[in-house]
Amino acid sequence: DQQVKQNSPSLSVQEGRISILNCDYTNSMFDYFLWYKKYPAEGPTFLISISSIKDKNEDGRFTVFLNKSAKHLSLHIVPSQPGDSAVYFCAASEGRGQNFVFGPGTRLSVLP
Amino acid sequence: DAGVIQSPRHEVTEMGQEVTLRCKPISGHDYLFWYRQTMMRGLELLIYFNNNVPIDDSGMPEDRFSAKMPNASFSTLKIQPSEPRDSAVYFCASRHTGNQPQHFGDGTRLSIL
Repeated sequence: DQQVKQNSPSLSVQEGRISILNCDYTNSMFDYFLWYKKYPAEGPTFLISISSIKDKNEDGRFTVFLNKSAKHLSLHIVPSQPGDSAVYFCAASEGRGQNFVFGPGTRLSVLP
Repeated sequence: DAGVIQSPRHEVTEMGQEVTLRCKPISGHDYLFWYRQTMMRGLELLIYFNNNVPIDDSGMPEDRFSAKMPNASFSTLKIQPSEPRDSAVYFCASRHTGNQPQHFGDGTRLSIL
């Protein structure tokens, strides 16, 4: 039973347009969420986080939105660049727990 | 500043052999995590340490897997005996206390023949 779901295995977007990656979770106790980006043959790298006391966090081209009632978060990348092509993982944790649960990932391809 | 360092990057060995994966966390980080990534199960947490002490090993698949952290700068994940189904990419990650993101190493790609 997956607690963190990323229902789109892949997404293709034109360069300069907005990329929207979605993540849904089932555990209502999750209160800290992160997005990681992963290039081939490298480890995941941290991108952006959000805690449940907020509904939006922004860092440059990257914005994460959290809808607690829907148990849904999304990552917006605008404008998208070819270098953004990677696999994006959503992760969630409960309280100060260390057990981050990862989603299966979404492969983003930004086409020039 | 060096990131999390894992070795080896690739390991190919025969079924039944002992495999040891190594990890050097980022200096000053007091949490260390071992993950396994497979196509079927995605990225799953195997075990994590806090201040060198194992806190949660519920993700370790079976007794063939063991992990140690003898000091703050080194950890090992050992599989003995190895089986083909252990083939995966194993990641080590470390972080500071608090709601801080984990920093991952580049992983060890393990193939058991």
